[in-house]
Amino acid sequence: DGGITQSPKYLFRKEGQNVTLSCEQNLNHDAMYWYRQDPGQGLRLIYYSQIVNDFQKGDIAEGYSVSREKKESFPLTVTSAQKNPTAFYLCASSIAGADTDTQYFGPGTRLTVL
Amino acid sequence: DQQVKQNSPSLSVQEGRISILNCDYTNSMFDYFLWYKKYPAEGPTFLISISSIKDKNEDGRFTVFLNKSAKHLSLHIVPSQPGDSAVYFCAASGMTTGNQFYFGTGTSLTVIP
Repeated sequence: DGGITQSPKYLFRKEGQNVTLSCEQNLNHDAMYWYRQDPGQGLRLIYYSQIVNDFQKGDIAEGYSVSREKKESFPLTVTSAQKNPTAFYLCASSIAGADTDTQYFGPGTRLTVL
Repeated sequence: DQQVKQNSPSLSVQEGRISILNCDYTNSMFDYFLWYKKYPAEGPTFLISISSIKDKNEDGRFTVFLNKSAKHLSLHIVPSQPGDSAVYFCAASGMTTGNQFYFGTGTSLTVIP
């Protein structure tokens, strides 16, 4: 059963702590993405990766870091440098990362920083 | 700067009637457009797409219209069903935008039984 999994669904952290959000896909997709959704705003791109061991910053990369050591996995770390980390985080993947490739999304992780 | 805009945050429609969701964009280099549907606390799911070489694409009850000169696209749902109640996002991309997708702010559709 192919798809994208994100865990956990809800995550709570204290201010000042780094936290890593998991994203795994078994669709054999080359490209993976991280978005953030805030109330009343569209999805905004944080980071994306089109191939293993390579990734690029999106529009709002400050305060975040990623790694792409395996094709299936694209974890996102929310660092203490991110000013407003509380948000709904969505991971997506596409076949090759071309502009006409449909992106498929995971169920999301809601991060709340207390 | 919001390059893709959905100016109606919400829309209510009677079951069986047509739902029309609108989306405007500012970047003339966008050449591929998609609509996603999202239920609360879930990831968006792909609904329908259209390339800039076409002005209409149809898939069952869903039709997307593209007006390039007006930089406007719309999603028509006919007939609307209660299960269509969700937030709908439009997204746009182009080869010259680094293959990055830009999403609108979403329109929350409520279909009233």
